[in-house]
Amino acid sequence: ETGVTQSPTHLIKTRGQQVTLRCSSQSGHNTVSWYQQALGQGPQFIFQYYREEENGRGNFPPRFSGLQFPNYSSELNVNALELDDSALYLCASSPLNTHGAYEQYFGPGTRLTVT
Amino acid sequence: AQSVTQLDSQVPVFGEAPVELRCNYSSSVSVYLFWYVQYPNQGLQLLLKYLSGSTLVESINGFEAEFNKSQTSFHLRKPSVHISDTAEYFCAVSNRDDKIIFGKGTRLHILP
Repeated sequence: ETGVTQSPTHLIKTRGQQVTLRCSSQSGHNTVSWYQQALGQGPQFIFQYYREEENGRGNFPPRFSGLQFPNYSSELNVNALELDDSALYLCASSPLNTHGAYEQYFGPGTRLTVT
Repeated sequence: AQSVTQLDSQVPVFGEAPVELRCNYSSSVSVYLFWYVQYPNQGLQLLLKYLSGSTLVESINGFEAEFNKSQTSFHLRKPSVHISDTAEYFCAVSNRDDKIIFGKGTRLHILP
């Protein structure tokens, strides 16, 4: 069974640019959540996707957007990057019929650096 | 609104000594509680969870946590730590909606 995978592992972008991060959910999981973990902080919920639709959003501006595809993989897009967007971005997937938060499995993350 | 407070940002402890990582939460509704562990340069791994039933929950590697509703706490304990337990530990809460609320983490240092 393959776990949650994320790509790329590391990424360096310039302020004002746009970035797309990718996540493949664990086999059998239909819900994907994205979190931002700044250095020295706990993860902060960005949003969740269930059956290709947004299913809840945290306190992040609209320049953070996402997609979920029919195979349940997902993308996180961030426009107009700011220095404070530098963080580890974590994707988590949840199994079928339990799209509540209590069964989330995390990927290794993508470390984004904005210069 | 829910929140999680981890009272210690760092906990140094000698190898084979006991350890307790403290966690308090606030919520106006029934909650689910979690401890996640993050090893250096890795993602989060679920260590243990409380959903319902017995208030004492255990992990496969010797950690345990007790849900205390009156004190709104979910402290993590291990009777004897090992160097391999060096990691960041996150307490988290959810009310079975769309998100998990994490604490700021406690870094466990195992001293030689």
